[in-house]
Amino acid sequence: AQSVSQHNHHVILSEAASLELGCNYSYGGTVNLFWYVQYPGQHLQLLLKYFSGDPLVKGIKGFEAEFIKSKFSFNLRKPSVQWSDTAEYFCAVINTGGFKTIFGAGTRLFVKA
Amino acid sequence: GAVVSQHPSRVICKSGTSVKIECRSLDFQATTMFWYRQFPKQSLMLMATSNEGSKATYEQGVEKDKFLINHASLTLSTLTVTSAHPEDSSFYICSASGLAGGETQYFGPGTRLLVL
Repeated sequence: AQSVSQHNHHVILSEAASLELGCNYSYGGTVNLFWYVQYPGQHLQLLLKYFSGDPLVKGIKGFEAEFIKSKFSFNLRKPSVQWSDTAEYFCAVINTGGFKTIFGAGTRLFVKA
Repeated sequence: GAVVSQHPSRVICKSGTSVKIECRSLDFQATTMFWYRQFPKQSLMLMATSNEGSKATYEQGVEKDKFLINHASLTLSTLTVTSAHPEDSSFYICSASGLAGGETQYFGPGTRLLVL
C-alpha cells in the first residue's frame, strides 16, 4: 500500500537554527509532492509543491524542499527558523494515476524564541 | 489565493441525530472536493473524493450510507453524518481542487463535531 512517512513527530529548535524535516513515500509511479503547514488555530495551507522540473523547490517564507527520486524523498528545509514557524507540517503525495492524496502523520515544530 | 469555507465550525449534537457540514469554494470553481477526518494527534484521513455532478468515491472502510456526500455545484459540497454516534466525534476537513486531482488542494478551516 502507498504510504508517506515523516520521520520526526516533534521537533524543538531555537530561533536561527536550521531545519530539515524528512518525508519519504512508497509509491513507485509518477507523483506530485506537497508540503502543507498548519499554524496554531489556522487551517492547512500550501507551503510548496513539486510537479516536475527542477527538483529543488522554493516555497513561501524561505522554505524549500528537494525531491530525490532515487530515495523517494521530499525533505523540507529552512536555513534559519523563526518563532513564527511554530506549526505542524504535513507532507502529502498524490499519485498522478489515481489522484489520491496521502498525507504523512505530520511533524509538530516548536521554535523557541 | 483560493479560499474554502466550512460551516459550521463547531457542532454539538445528540446521538442519533444527523449533522450536515457545508464546504464552499468562495472564489474558484472546485471540480473536485475532498473530505478528510482528523483524529487527535494524527494525520488527515481521506474519507471520500467527490466530483461535481457525480457520486462520491469513498475510501475503504468509510461507510457511504453513514457519511453522505453531495457535490451539487462547482462551489458547494456537503457532508451529512447520519445517525451520529459518539465515535463519529472528530474534526472534519474539506478541501477543493480546481482540476480533477493531482493539483493543489485548498483547505477549509475544518468542522469540529462532538456527538453526545
